[in-house]
Order: sequence, then C-alpha cells, then structure tokens
Amino acid sequence: QKEVEQNSGPLSVPEGAIASLNCTYSDRVSQSFFWYRQYSGKSPELIMSIYSNGDKEDGRFTAQLNKASQYVSLLIRDSQPSDSATYLCAVGAGTALIFGKGTTLSVSS
Amino acid sequence: NAGVMQNPRHLVRRRGQEARLRCSPMKGHSHVYWYRQLPEEGLKFMVYLQKENIIDESGMPKERFSAEFPKEGPSILRIQQVVRGDSAAYFCASSPQGLKTEAFFGQGTRLTVV
Repeated sequence: QKEVEQNSGPLSVPEGAIASLNCTYSDRVSQSFFWYRQYSGKSPELIMSIYSNGDKEDGRFTAQLNKASQYVSLLIRDSQPSDSATYLCAVGAGTALIFGKGTTLSVSS
Repeated sequence: NAGVMQNPRHLVRRRGQEARLRCSPMKGHSHVYWYRQLPEEGLKFMVYLQKENIIDESGMPKERFSAEFPKEGPSILRIQQVVRGDSAAYFCASSPQGLKTEAFFGQGTRLTVV
C-alpha cells in the first residue's frame, strides 16, 4: 500500500525562524511531489510542486526532493504567525495522489 | 478564471437518504480527484477520474459510494443510504494533466448525517 508519512507535530517555532517540515513516501516510482497548506476549516491550498531531485525556491518557501532516500521537505524562512497551519505533503503515486496526515505548524510572535 | 467549484457547501441528510456532491473543475482541467476528511485527520484518497473514465477507485468503499465525470457537466460523488459514519468534509481537486501537474482544491462539501 502506498504511504506518505509526516510527523504530526505540533512544530513550534518563533517568528522569524526557519520551519522545517519533512515527509517520506513508500512508492519508489513516484514522480510528482507537492506541499499544501490547510487552515482549520478550510480547503488545502497549493504551496509548492517539485518533480526532480534538488531544491526549488519560491519566495520564503524552499522544497527539497531526494528520490534515492524517498524524502521530501519544505523549509519556510522568516516564519510568520500567519504561517500557522497544517502542512500536507502529497505524492503522485501510480494512479493516485496520496496525502500524508499533515504536520501542524505553530509560529509564535 | 474561476477555481474549482463544489456544491453544495453544506449538506444535511437523514440516515438512509442519498447524498449527491458536485464538483466543477477549473477551466481546461479534465482530471478530478475526490477526498474525504474527518475532523483532525488527513485527506483520504477516494477516486481519480478523467472525463468519462474512472482511473483509480481504490479508495472508494465497495458499497454505497459511486463517482462519475461525464463528458458534459460536473463530476458527481454519490453516496447511497447514508450512515452517520459518512459525516465528513468531501473535497475535490482538479488538474490539467493528471499526476504530472498541480492539483487545485475546491472549498469542499460538509456532509452531516442526522
């Protein structure tokens, strides 16, 4: 069974710090990887997509992919209280887009 | 360019009734995914459809649940003879070219079974 694993948290960081979120996946042939943010009671919002090994930066966000280790991460620089949310890792595995259970991030001011 | 539209936003059904949830993908998107989310839990994959085809329904319960995405009109998730355990948020997402491209979510339908 294809699985995506994330630490549930909560991950607590002070305002201005770097938040590091991690994700591992089981299906070696996965080709597409995504990070979503979900505020309580709202729908998931796409933050980043990454398809090849290495880093991809977009503003304060950097996604990192290591297919050999089956590992995806998201770094959030200069964390803000508005970044407090649940972050979902999603992996395109075979014929399904599978989500982890999410990591709750809390940024304190 | 309108986003993914789901309706209704809230749906209340009595046990034994049918629930029909609709999802209109973004313009130009022909791939739709359906997910169920229970409170404080993650998104559980249910089904992946392309226009007129079910690509992967491995996450769908074997009974009472069905999904379609006709050539014209929205994708429909249908739950027959609802039970209290079906109460959840149901989200759909759409993408232009399946798993190789980014998927965007609708606002969800909150189903309550009383």
